Parts: sequence; C-alpha cells; structure tokens
Amino acid sequence: EDKVVQSPLSLVVHEGDTVTLNCSYEVTNFRSLLWYKQEKKAPTFLFMLTSSGIEKKSGRLSSILDKKELFSILNITATQTGDSAVYLCAVSPNDYKLSFGAGTTVTVRA
Amino acid sequence: DGGITQSPKYLFRKEGQNVTLSCEQNLNHDAMYWYRQDPGQGLRLIYYSQIVNDFQKGDIAEGYSVSREKKESFPLTVTSAQKNPTAFYLCASSDYSNEKLFFGSGTQLSVL
Repeated sequence: EDKVVQSPLSLVVHEGDTVTLNCSYEVTNFRSLLWYKQEKKAPTFLFMLTSSGIEKKSGRLSSILDKKELFSILNITATQTGDSAVYLCAVSPNDYKLSFGAGTTVTVRA
Repeated sequence: DGGITQSPKYLFRKEGQNVTLSCEQNLNHDAMYWYRQDPGQGLRLIYYSQIVNDFQKGDIAEGYSVSREKKESFPLTVTSAQKNPTAFYLCASSDYSNEKLFFGSGTQLSVL
C-alpha cells in the first residue's frame, strides 16, 4: 500500500520566517510527487516533481525531490500571513491514483 | 471561467437517507475523482472515472455510488450504508494521463 507521511503536522511561525515542510513516501512504481496548498476549501496546485535534485521555484516557494531517499521538501521563505494554509503532499504511481499525506498546517502570525 | 463546481457547499443528511453531491467541470478533462477529507487525515480516494460510462472504486468506496453519464458531470451519492458520512468531500478532474488535479471547492456533509 502506498504511504505518504508529512511532517510536522503543524507549525506556527512569524512573518518573515523561513519554513521547511517534509514529505516522505513509499510507493510502487513512482511517477511523480505533487504539492498543493489548501487555504480554505479547494486545494491549489503548487509543484509537480519527477526528477531528483532539480529545484522548482515559484516566488518565495521552492521544492526539491530526492528519489533515492524517497522524500521531498517544500520551502517557504520570508513568510507572509497569506501563506497560512494546509500544505498537502501527494505521490502518483503509474496508474495516476494520487495518494495524499495528512498535510501540514502552517500558521503565520503577523 | 473554466473550473470545477461542486454543490451544495453544505449538506445535512438524516439517518437512513441517501444524498447526492454534484460535481460539474468545464475544463474538458477526461478523468474525474471524488475524495473524502477528515480532520487530521489526508485525502482518501472514493471513486474515479477516466472516461464516460466507466468508473472504478478507490480505497474507500463502500457506502458510496457514482455515475459518469456525461464527460462534464460526476455525481456522488452517499448511501444509507455509509455509517460515518460526516466529512468534507472534494471533487477533482485532470486530463487523461496527467496526475495534476484541479479541485472544486468542496461539500461539507454532516449528519443530523
């Protein structure tokens, strides 16, 4: 059975801090790993990673995948209150049925 | 605007009652999915459909049913056999052979 574990489950930071979220996985026939941000209701897509060691960046967010050690990290620098959300990690095997982790709740205080 | 529309936003179910959650997409996506989200847990796959008139059970299909008569629509029925239906339900879609999902805004189902 595919398994995705995110850590920490929650954290509270102050504006301007840097946050690192972790996602480890066990999946048969790994195809890709995806990160989503869920602010209120609908998760929105952040990144899709398929190759090890290649950092993907979007503004203050970045993510990297290590396929040997089976994990990914999501970094948020210079955090803002708008970064407060649940961050979801998912892995996709070859049949495209995503398996999600429990998520990390990030709270950014002004 | 292209997107996925779920309705209603909130739904209450009486014991023994079947309820249907609506999901419509105008993204011309082939695949559609239903997930259940419980507090502190990840999204769990209920049913998915990769093509019209065909669908497959996910990891927690018991007590649920779906249909896919049109490409745009993938309604989920929560039957009376689902003994713990209180949860947040998310519908998603994707292009065929593409794992990037687009999500609707969800339906919160509660039991009266």
